[in-house]
Amino acid sequence: DVKVTQSSRYLVKRTGEKVFLECVQDMDHENMFWYRQDPGLGLRLIYFSYDVKMKEKGDIPEGYSVSREKKERFSLILESASTNQTSMYLCASGFPGGEKYFGPGTRLTVL
Amino acid sequence: GQQVMQIPQYQHVQEGEDFTTYCNSSTTLSNIQWYKQRPGGHPVFLIQLVKSGEVKKQKRLTFQFGEAKKNSSLHITATQTTDVGTYFCAGRTGGFKTIFGAGTRLFVKA
Repeated sequence: DVKVTQSSRYLVKRTGEKVFLECVQDMDHENMFWYRQDPGLGLRLIYFSYDVKMKEKGDIPEGYSVSREKKERFSLILESASTNQTSMYLCASGFPGGEKYFGPGTRLTVL
Repeated sequence: GQQVMQIPQYQHVQEGEDFTTYCNSSTTLSNIQWYKQRPGGHPVFLIQLVKSGEVKKQKRLTFQFGEAKKNSSLHITATQTTDVGTYFCAGRTGGFKTIFGAGTRLFVKA
């Protein structure tokens, strides 16, 4: 079974803090993705990576950065957290053109 | 910009009734995927459609891809309480880009 794990299920941070969300997959997938999910807006792509050290901006990259130093790990970084970044963050991985496997999600609250 | 519109946003049905959700894209899609997210869970892949006019079935679920590859639908026959959740379509526009619809949340009353 494909497994995508995320470092935390729930996280509470203060405005201005630097936040790291980590995602690990065990299926040797080339592609990895970070989405945020908000009610009524569906899943919006923040960043994706199609190879180690490669990254591409998604639809809403502002305020976020990513890191992919190893194939199995994709990190999302909030340089200075703000309240409008309170959301559910979902990591996914997959082969090019194929289905995506999602992690359980991290519900981030920024106070 | 490129969009995938999904309707309806919510649907309440009585158990045993049918349910359909629709996706429409502003551009031609190379493929479309469907996912289901149970309450409190994460999206889980259901199916991928690639060919124009393609129809695929999974038990009570029927998936269609339009002839112009700009729209798709998911139809559930005789809904059950286990069908509750949010159904997302995700259209691939080319390259690495996949755009998710906003989802249709299905409520089933026993």
